[in-house]
Amino acid sequence: SQTIHQWPATLVQPVGSPLSLECTVEGTSNPNLYWYRQAAGRGLQLLFYSVGIGQISSEVPQNLSASRPQDRQFILSSKKLLLSDSGFYLCAWISSSGRNEQFFGPGTRLTVL
Amino acid sequence: RKEVEQDPGPFNVPEGATVAFNCTYSNSASQSFFWYRQDCRKEPKLLMSVYSSGNEDGRFTAQLNRASQYISLLIRDSKLSDSATYLCVVPMYSGGGADGLTFGKGTHLIIQP
Repeated sequence: SQTIHQWPATLVQPVGSPLSLECTVEGTSNPNLYWYRQAAGRGLQLLFYSVGIGQISSEVPQNLSASRPQDRQFILSSKKLLLSDSGFYLCAWISSSGRNEQFFGPGTRLTVL
Repeated sequence: RKEVEQDPGPFNVPEGATVAFNCTYSNSASQSFFWYRQDCRKEPKLLMSVYSSGNEDGRFTAQLNRASQYISLLIRDSKLSDSATYLCVVPMYSGGGADGLTFGKGTHLIIQP
């Protein structure tokens, strides 16, 4: 069965520091992968998605970037965090059934101070 | 960006009652629709997928009205464990959603004993 992991689970970082969040998927190959952010009191916002290694589509211009160095690995990064980057970051993959159902990892809760 | 609108609630409902949520969407090209459930500080989990006029799974029924562009979720014989936030989700651009999903902000449901 397919599983999705995110690391770390929680993170507290100072403004201006770098960020690296990791997402890995098991049990599937060449999945579409997605990064979402859920800020306090707001809905999930799509940040990036990837259909394959090295292929990244950005949805919202901001100080975040994403990379897909391996088929089952999706990384979210920032060189300098802002206070507004605080939120719940969720990685998701899409099922290969053709039904386009997305399944989420456990998330990383980021607080920028 | 296509939008999804939901009544944020909270809906306070006695245990055993029937409760219904509505959701309106603006992407007329949408072919897939989803309801997710999100518990406090957890990742969203897929509850139901809707591809035609509706879908039923046990106590849960989702109905789709394409002409009016709304989706509803009905929960019968509500349980305490149904307390959660329910997210209405539609494809962001294409009909299927492989290039991302748009999430409503959610409807908060509280089942009272």
